[in-house]
Amino acid sequence: NAGVMQNPRHLVRRRGQEARLRCSPMKGHSHVYWYRQLPEEGLKFMVYLQKENIIDESGMPKERFSAEFPKEGPSILRIQQVVRGDSAAYFCASANQGRGETQYFGPGTRLLVL
Amino acid sequence: QKEVEQDPGPLSVPEGAIVSLNCTYSNSAFQYFMWYRQYSRKGPELLMYTYSSGNKEDGRFTAQVDKSSKYISLFIRDSQPSDSATYLCAMSLGSWGKLQFGAGTQVVVTP
Repeated sequence: NAGVMQNPRHLVRRRGQEARLRCSPMKGHSHVYWYRQLPEEGLKFMVYLQKENIIDESGMPKERFSAEFPKEGPSILRIQQVVRGDSAAYFCASANQGRGETQYFGPGTRLLVL
Repeated sequence: QKEVEQDPGPLSVPEGAIVSLNCTYSNSAFQYFMWYRQYSRKGPELLMYTYSSGNKEDGRFTAQVDKSSKYISLFIRDSQPSDSATYLCAMSLGSWGKLQFGAGTQVVVTP
């Protein structure tokens, strides 16, 4: 069974560029969560999505960040006009319907903004 | 004040000892409590989850939740060097929602 897949694993962007992070949930999972882990800090919730719906985006910065989980294909976290403070590890987790207490995490995408 | 408090460590123990980890929290509405293990530069791995108060055991791992004290614990028996990692507590309001994480405790098990 394939676990949660994320790509790319490492991403380098210059300030002002766009970053696109992709997440494919575990087979059978329809719920996706995105978290960010800043250096020396814990994981912080960003957004919770189901297919074609954003359920909770209370952790998303108001500007430059967006997320989607289309009917077909992976979930995408998009960061426009990246700044150095966006450098972090971004983790995606997936869960089965009604089983959000068992979220399984992917390996993460490490974003470095130069 | 953070919603979930966790001592960052590092916590160093000799091989074979019991590792004792804990978190405190301020929101009494939390219902689900989880422990994750994270190796360096890897994703968090779910170890255990517990609903409401009580104990849960899985192999060498025991999780305890005391909602009256807003305190959760994880015990690792017969610790091994391969247990060296960062342990994250997490909790949520319901079975569908976002997880609130502690900062993580770094554990080092020395041979």
